[in-house]
Formats: sequence, C-alpha cells, structure tokens
Amino acid sequence: DIQMTQSPSTLSASLGDRVTITCRASQYINNFLNWYQQRPGEAPKLLIYAASTLQSEVPSRFSASGSGTDFTFTINSLQPEDFATYFCQQSFNSPRTFGQGTRVEI
Amino acid sequence: QLQLQESGPGSVKPSETLSLTCSVSGGPITANNYHWGWIRQSPERGLEWIGGSHYRGGTGYNPSLESRVTVTVDTSRNQFSLQLTSVSVAETAIYYCVRHFRGFTDYFDPWGQGILVTVSS
Repeated sequence: DIQMTQSPSTLSASLGDRVTITCRASQYINNFLNWYQQRPGEAPKLLIYAASTLQSEVPSRFSASGSGTDFTFTINSLQPEDFATYFCQQSFNSPRTFGQGTRVEI
Repeated sequence: QLQLQESGPGSVKPSETLSLTCSVSGGPITANNYHWGWIRQSPERGLEWIGGSHYRGGTGYNPSLESRVTVTVDTSRNQFSLQLTSVSVAETAIYYCVRHFRGFTDYFDPWGQGILVTVSS
C-alpha cells in the first residue's frame, strides 16, 4: 500500500494567516492526489483533486501543488470556517489511501 | 445537487455481518465514470477505503477486506449497499457512502453524512 504522510499533525494559526500543509507519498503517484476538509461532526468534503484543481464552489483562498511524491496545500487568509482537519488522499493505485490528517486550530 | 444518505443498524455483534444501504438523490446512479462505494473512519485506523461498484457490476475492493466485502448497486431504487462479513470489535467506525469518480482522474465526492456502527457483544 502507498503510505501518505502529512505534516504537521496539528497547526495553530490565527484568522487571516496563510497556512501550508505538506503531504508525502511513499512512492511515485504522479498528480493523483486529492485534498479533503473535515469539520467536526461532518463528513469529509473534497476541496482539490488532481493535485491542484479546485473543486467547484470551493473558495479560491484554497490552493495546492505538487507532483510525484511531494505535495503542498495552502490556505490564504484563514477564515473562521477553515478551522478543521485536512486530509490528503492518493488515487494512483489500489487501495486508495489517506494521510493521517492535519488539524488546523486557533 | 447529488446527496447520499446512509441507513442501517447502528450495532452489530462480533463475527456477524454488517449491512448498510446508501440512498442516492438528486441524480442517477447509472452515470458513467462513477463507482459507488464506502469509506470508514475510526480514531485507530483513520480513513480507510473499503471499496465500491459500478452500476454495470465492475467492482474494486481494498485487498485487506476483499474476502469479506460485497458492494452491490440497485438501479431500480437508486441505492447501493455494503455487506461486510465476520466483523470484529476493531471495525467499529463511522461508515460513509461516497460517489467515486473514476475517469481522467479519481476522487471521492460527495460523501454521505456517515453512520456510526458499533461492533460489540
């Protein structure tokens, strides 16, 4: 299985901050990398697919980049509703696997 | 807007079969390029992909679960189901149904709200 490693596990930030999360795959996955947001008590929600494509209706303050094994996810100007846990997920091969999550807290 | 809703028992005894259903509204389950699947989440295991099925019958399962998992699609009811046999206490988790896009790229969207299933005697 491809292991997905996110860092940091927890990130403390303030409103208006720019935050960056990294995700590393244990082997090459091209650009088959997705990012999800999970607010407390809710299901994960797709934000970005194919490493850098913003899903429809997702605010433009979210962005991501990367290819191969190393990926980054950025939130520009953190808003109150952005305090959540973020997961990366590879879709290069089976089984699909997720990172352990990065909690963004105040 | 497509919506998914899980239903089924909230508790299952060890060694028994976990059965869940996902009702799809706002769009047809017969769309091409989509599988209909399940993902579970627990503090111990994190997010774990279980597997899914295309409405024409093609399936894909997590190899770690493949011998115990079946996902079937019911086009007449616009719903799909999960059966997981011989469950253990460690499989207590929130189970999400998802639409799985499988085309030029591959992702899970949208997700159901999730259903907590407790495995306990």
